[in-house]
Amino acid sequence: KNEVEQSPQNLTAQEGEFITINCSYSVGISALHWLQQHPGGGIVSLFMLSSGKKKHGRLIATINIQEKHSSLHITASHPRDSAVYICAVSSPGGSGGGADGLTFGKGTHLIIQP
Amino acid sequence: DTGVSQNPRHKITKRGQNVTFRCDPISEHNRLYWYRQTLGQGPEFLTYFQNEAQLEKSRLLSDRFSAERPKGSFSTLEIQRTEQGDSAMYLCASSLSPSPLHFGNGTRLTVT
Repeated sequence: KNEVEQSPQNLTAQEGEFITINCSYSVGISALHWLQQHPGGGIVSLFMLSSGKKKHGRLIATINIQEKHSSLHITASHPRDSAVYICAVSSPGGSGGGADGLTFGKGTHLIIQP
Repeated sequence: DTGVSQNPRHKITKRGQNVTFRCDPISEHNRLYWYRQTLGQGPEFLTYFQNEAQLEKSRLLSDRFSAERPKGSFSTLEIQRTEQGDSAMYLCASSLSPSPLHFGNGTRLTVT
């Protein structure tokens, strides 16, 4: 079982819809990251959070430490939001390696149709 | 802040050849990471530097792989005697902990 599980794997929605991507993890963490990856490979960090909720523009990220669960929401979705969204956890000493011990989920491939 | 730069963007090589990739991190970042990503998967950790010291290597990093970060600035990742299974996107990221990682655009390697 992967330490970080995302759902759904693929999501196609119409422009304007409210989008939710879920992430569950099985290890103790110091922080959870939501990342966005566009075709061509570049990854952009969207959020880094260890509790509660963060909001940036139309994006909202929440985390429930007790339930080991996080969600990424996109309000008023737009075709430019089409990308792969990756959940990753910082777990020092975990399988992710490095001082930040970052372990990644497989990503959710989101397509927003006009 | 010019971001993390990786070169080349794409590399096609024949099996058995050696390849070298370069990563230029954000200048003040002391931590540098290399990851490998195959199609449909999330990135997998390869190795990590703090300044010039290589502090950790994944078991994914076989003897054919070597990484350096001379003077704690840019880093290189070399793959010797490439195999078709080495075909992947190689991602570099840097950080000034505890800030989030900043990723480069990656080097896509195709081994024919």
